[in-house]
Amino acid sequence: AQTVTQSQPEMSVQEAETVTLSCTYDTSESDYYLFWYKQPPSRQMILVIRQEAYKQQNATENRFSVNFQKAAKSFSLKISDSQLGDAAMYFCAYRRVGNQFYFGTGTSLTVIP
Amino acid sequence: NAGVTQTPKFRVLKTGQSMTLLCAQDMNHEYMYWYRQDPGMGLRLIHYSVGEGTTAKGEVPDGYNVSRLKKQNFLLGLESAAPSQTSVYFCASSYVDRGDSPLHFGNGTRLTVT
Repeated sequence: AQTVTQSQPEMSVQEAETVTLSCTYDTSESDYYLFWYKQPPSRQMILVIRQEAYKQQNATENRFSVNFQKAAKSFSLKISDSQLGDAAMYFCAYRRVGNQFYFGTGTSLTVIP
Repeated sequence: NAGVTQTPKFRVLKTGQSMTLLCAQDMNHEYMYWYRQDPGMGLRLIHYSVGEGTTAKGEVPDGYNVSRLKKQNFLLGLESAAPSQTSVYFCASSYVDRGDSPLHFGNGTRLTVT
């Protein structure tokens, strides 16, 4: 089974500041996909951003961007201009084409006003 | 646009009781999944299905059964509930032929077994 590691169980950031959440994964594949999901207190799982491994360019979605380092098997999420609504649990996930998703254990982000 | 709908949202069972969680999706997705979420353990795959009439075991299948009689529905059953099955359960679905297709999640079911 693939493993996805999120080494930061908890993180905090001041409102309007930038925070980076870490994710590493273990794979021998060259073609795969990576995702970040957000889970606010409502329990809903929300897709934040996705990255194809064959693309060298890092994905961005408004204030969210990733730093994808394929050789290092690292996929960190950067949140810029943090807002109170960003407070949530964040999960990193790995997927091969036509295969299951594997999730990390999550990072709980607190945004301090 | 309903997406993925799970019922019920909450349930309390006594040890040994049985129940079925229902998941329905209206996006014509081939793949459907059941996960459980426990504190500090992320989401762990219980069972999944790659199409109507097919099911497969995930990471933590013991104590659960599933069925996918129709493409849009995926049922998770607990035949004899145990306190260790106290968890939040998520159903999800995705396309199979697009690797970048994300999981679409239901809103979860909080199950407590006493």
